[in-house]
Amino acid sequence: QQPVQSPQAVILREGEDAVINCSSSKALYSVHWYRQKHGEAPVFLMILLKGGEQKGHEKISASFNEKKQQSSLYLTASQLSYSGTYFCGTGNYNQGGKLIFGQGTELSVKP
Amino acid sequence: SQTIHQWPATLVQPVGSPLSLECTVEGTSNPNLYWYRQAAGRGLQLLFYSVGIGQISSEVPQNLSASRPQDRQFILSSKKLLLSDSGFYLCAWSVATRSEQYFGPGTRLTVT
Repeated sequence: QQPVQSPQAVILREGEDAVINCSSSKALYSVHWYRQKHGEAPVFLMILLKGGEQKGHEKISASFNEKKQQSSLYLTASQLSYSGTYFCGTGNYNQGGKLIFGQGTELSVKP
Repeated sequence: SQTIHQWPATLVQPVGSPLSLECTVEGTSNPNLYWYRQAAGRGLQLLFYSVGIGQISSEVPQNLSASRPQDRQFILSSKKLLLSDSGFYLCAWSVATRSEQYFGPGTRLTVT
């Protein structure tokens, strides 16, 4: 039931773009995105609650395709501060309020 | 504004010893509370969650237990630690079931 994230790791140069995908085998009613710096707690980025919803936060945005049971996180014109591990957390209809997190995508932005 | 506290920040305990980790939330009432564990280099594993005082749901059968004695207090315990209990323990809260979760600073536990 754990959502699958891809890629597992990505290395970028400053200014490059990246897409992180999150796919579930179960019907979703919410997708949450978090970023975790090494040794720190995860930090909330955004939540998508409706199929087709898209959100943006500075140069980071996300989409939710409810029909395909997947979400994508888009990072444009990446900055050094974007480095970290990105997790998606999915809420499923038969799991109450629990989130199941993917295994994470490690993003490294180099100068 | 809301804040979440966890203590201790780091802990080194021998195998077989007891454990008590505490989490408190300020600035909100009746939050949903969660305990996660993160092994080194791994993802977040949900251990327990609570929607109210005395209401605890366990996700993974193990030698850990959780309690919620007060509205904004969540405690993770063990009677006898195992080596496999080592990890980064994170407490989180949310306003409601489908809302975003906010994580505390975490407790890094090493069982020796």
